[in-house]
Amino acid sequence: QLQLQESGPGLVKPSETLSLTCTVSGGSISDTYSYWGWIRQPPGKGLEWIGIIYYNGITYYNSSLQSRLTISVDTSKTEFSLRLSSVTAADTAVYYCARRPTTWDRYDPWGQGTLVAVSS
Amino acid sequence: QPVLTQPPSVSGAPGQRVTISCTGSSSNIGAGYEVHWYQQFPGKAPKLLIYGNNNRPSGVPDRFSGSKSGTSASLAITGLQAEDEADYYCQSYDSSLTASVFGGGTKLSVL
Repeated sequence: QLQLQESGPGLVKPSETLSLTCTVSGGSISDTYSYWGWIRQPPGKGLEWIGIIYYNGITYYNSSLQSRLTISVDTSKTEFSLRLSSVTAADTAVYYCARRPTTWDRYDPWGQGTLVAVSS
Repeated sequence: QPVLTQPPSVSGAPGQRVTISCTGSSSNIGAGYEVHWYQQFPGKAPKLLIYGNNNRPSGVPDRFSGSKSGTSASLAITGLQAEDEADYYCQSYDSSLTASVFGGGTKLSVL
């Protein structure tokens, strides 16, 4: 059964870079039928799509975050990562990783999520 | 502002039927892209509830159903139960934004 797990610092200072990793288990990150994605949810608010990556490194980003965003994949470690630079308090959120089939734009399963607070 | 519009809250008594609407535009739902629905309990990750407009993943009760027409979609829950109290989100794809888009979420209260 495919499972995803986010990991990374829970606190980041303003203007610094937020870095998270999602570890995939129970399946192959090199699966040609999957994209691997990031979605976030500010406290008490709705879901915001961040971006997705294919096993070969092809990425699609939310245009509002693109200038600060890098999503990468490490197939040898079965993990993919998110880096968001120059963070502000507005980037405080629960960050989720999830799988998206290449054929259909839906997300399943999701990781449990990790809260990242941006504060000095 | 979310690209897809949902009512902030809906409520119903146990056993009743409720619907949650999701309104988009000609670049997402109206363009023929599928609508998916997620259920989220407090402190938990969203879970896929309905995919491809009206399909239920294994394990989802048939009390949950989805529909789509024009630029809108709906989630219906029949035989409302206390355990259905949660937040519900719709999601589709937007060709103008070239991005997955979500609704703002709807909080379902079971009275």
